[in-house]
Amino acid sequence: ETGVTQTPRHLVMGMTNKKSLKCEQHLGHNAMYWYKQSAKKPLELMFVYSLEERVENNSVPSRFSPECPNSSHLFLHLHTLQPEDSALYLCASSPRKGLAGGDTQYFGPGTRLTVL
Amino acid sequence: GESVGLHLPTLSVQEGDNSIINCAYSNSASDYFIWYKQESGKGPQFIIDIRSNMDKRQGQRVTVLLNKTVKHLSLQIAATQPGDSAVYFCAENQGGYGKLTFGQGTILTVHP
Repeated sequence: ETGVTQTPRHLVMGMTNKKSLKCEQHLGHNAMYWYKQSAKKPLELMFVYSLEERVENNSVPSRFSPECPNSSHLFLHLHTLQPEDSALYLCASSPRKGLAGGDTQYFGPGTRLTVL
Repeated sequence: GESVGLHLPTLSVQEGDNSIINCAYSNSASDYFIWYKQESGKGPQFIIDIRSNMDKRQGQRVTVLLNKTVKHLSLQIAATQPGDSAVYFCAENQGGYGKLTFGQGTILTVHP
């Protein structure tokens, strides 16, 4: 349960605010991920970092800005969000030991974001 | 037109029954599959995985079956318990950097 932690667990922000979500993994993994989970869609992959390098950006609006300072930490910086951005934001990590497949992802508890 | 929210399939069972949750995946080239369980207020939790060179894998009280011919995946839970109540997602790895594509999920409700 404590392998991947996320803070804060809940966040309410206005459209003009700037905030950051934090994720930390204690599993010694090499890859980290941001997902968005909303009530109207399946889990959506936003960003992938492998060895601190961004390797995937799934056409995410620029108001979401990820940062991966090291292999254990991942941030998602938020600015000028819209109400439709309200969702559960999940962080995950995986070993990614050079395998294209078979790379199990382990999730944090998520940050429940509400944009007013 | 008005947008409609996602309506998840639901499965309701009695405690002690066996549950079977199904998933159709999209890409015949997918080589790795995972089942996740997500309880209310929590992130998805890994349950069991299977590679495409297998058609069955068993864990503790769970079995995953893979039918590549029809691109179908199922999760069987034996002696289902109230604590198994959750949303269950299948995910397929379509290749490259552990990139997973998730299904919409199935809500399992276990009645005591």
